[in-house]
Amino acid sequence: SAVISQKPSRDICQRGTSLTIQCQVDSQVTMMFWYRQQPGQSLTLIATANQGSEATYESGFVIDKFPISRPNLTFSTLTVSNMSPEDSSIYLCSVEGTEAFFGQGTRLTVV
Amino acid sequence: DAKTTQPNSMESNEEEPVHLPCNHSTISGTDYIHWYRQLPSQGPEYVIHGLTSNVNNRMASLAIAEDRKSSTLILHRATLRDAAVYYCILRDESTNFGNEKLTFGTGTRLTIIP
Repeated sequence: SAVISQKPSRDICQRGTSLTIQCQVDSQVTMMFWYRQQPGQSLTLIATANQGSEATYESGFVIDKFPISRPNLTFSTLTVSNMSPEDSSIYLCSVEGTEAFFGQGTRLTVV
Repeated sequence: DAKTTQPNSMESNEEEPVHLPCNHSTISGTDYIHWYRQLPSQGPEYVIHGLTSNVNNRMASLAIAEDRKSSTLILHRATLRDAAVYYCILRDESTNFGNEKLTFGTGTRLTIIP
């Protein structure tokens, strides 16, 4: 099993600013995943973060908007850049093996 | 990724069994069937997974059709804590077991009636 600590748990941000979300895992993992969950919607994968290489982004998501760092095998950050109200969502990180483990999510509101 | 189809919502009475269906008619031979659930204000949590045979664990049972084109998640005795969105997900384990991404559909919102 894996325990994932994600912070902040929630934030209210002004449009045009950036927010960095941190994800800490209690064990070393090869891949970490970042998801977005828009209000009332299901989860959508943003990118896969592999330690030692650039993140792989899904269609519709770009590095300039969602830069990701993966400095070691237990930690990753996702930055939501130049935010607009449309970025208001829950952002979740996960690690996936036979079963996936998710953080509690970061509830972001952009005003 | 192969697609799954689930009812948008279901209701069940507390302390009764719940059968949550999932159709996956385009499933491939290397697709595992995974179920996750998302309780209110929490991240998703793993429930169960299987390939061909029925599976049981402490949380639920997974019944897989013989042709694998459908499956059913069974909660044997629903409690109020089981109210959640349940996601049926296919994951191809043929090349990168355990590191393949999960593709979430819309899921089934389960309401438990006291």
